Amino acid sequence: ETGVTQSPTHLIKTRGQQVTLRCSSQSGHNTVSWYQQALGQGPQFIFQYYREEENGRGNFPPRFSGLQFPNYSSELNVNALELDDSALYLCASSLELAGGETQYFGPGTRLLVL
Amino acid sequence: DQQVKQNSPSLSVQEGRISILNCDYTNSMFDYFLWYKKYPAEGPTFLISISSIKDKNEDGRFTVFLNKSAKHLSLHIVPSQPGDSAVYFCAGPGADSGGGADGLTFGKGTHLIIQP
Repeated sequence: ETGVTQSPTHLIKTRGQQVTLRCSSQSGHNTVSWYQQALGQGPQFIFQYYREEENGRGNFPPRFSGLQFPNYSSELNVNALELDDSALYLCASSLELAGGETQYFGPGTRLLVL
Repeated sequence: DQQVKQNSPSLSVQEGRISILNCDYTNSMFDYFLWYKKYPAEGPTFLISISSIKDKNEDGRFTVFLNKSAKHLSLHIVPSQPGDSAVYFCAGPGADSGGGADGLTFGKGTHLIIQP
């Protein structure tokens, strides 16, 4: 069984640029959630996708957007990058939408905005 | 406003002893909790969970206790081993924004250091 994978592992961008991060969910999982983890903080929920639709969203501005594809893989897009966007971006997949399902995390993409 | 709080940024424990990691929450509607373990350069790994209908859940060396009246849970690791050195996150359901999404709400984590 393949776990959650993310690409790229590291990325450096400059302020104002746009970035796309990618995630492949664990085999059989149809729900993908994205989190941002700043240094010294716990992961913060960005949004969740279920069957290609955004299911819910945390306290992040619209320049954070996403997609989920028919094979349940997902993308996180961030426009107009700001210095504070520098963080570890984590993708997590789960089996179903219902609350209580354990979410399994990928290794993350570390983004540095200069 | 943080709905899940881990007030100890770090904890040092001798190998073989018990490690106790604490977590407090504010939302009495939370109906389950999870603990994750994170090594540097890796994503969080699921460790153990507990439903609010229980007050204890055990899995090998790991036991989670839930005190609903105090809105407090703790993770016990017995005996502690060097490989347990990691950052431990407590998480509850629902995003801080209260938007009803199924994202998890995490504490800031406790860095557990097991000393030989």
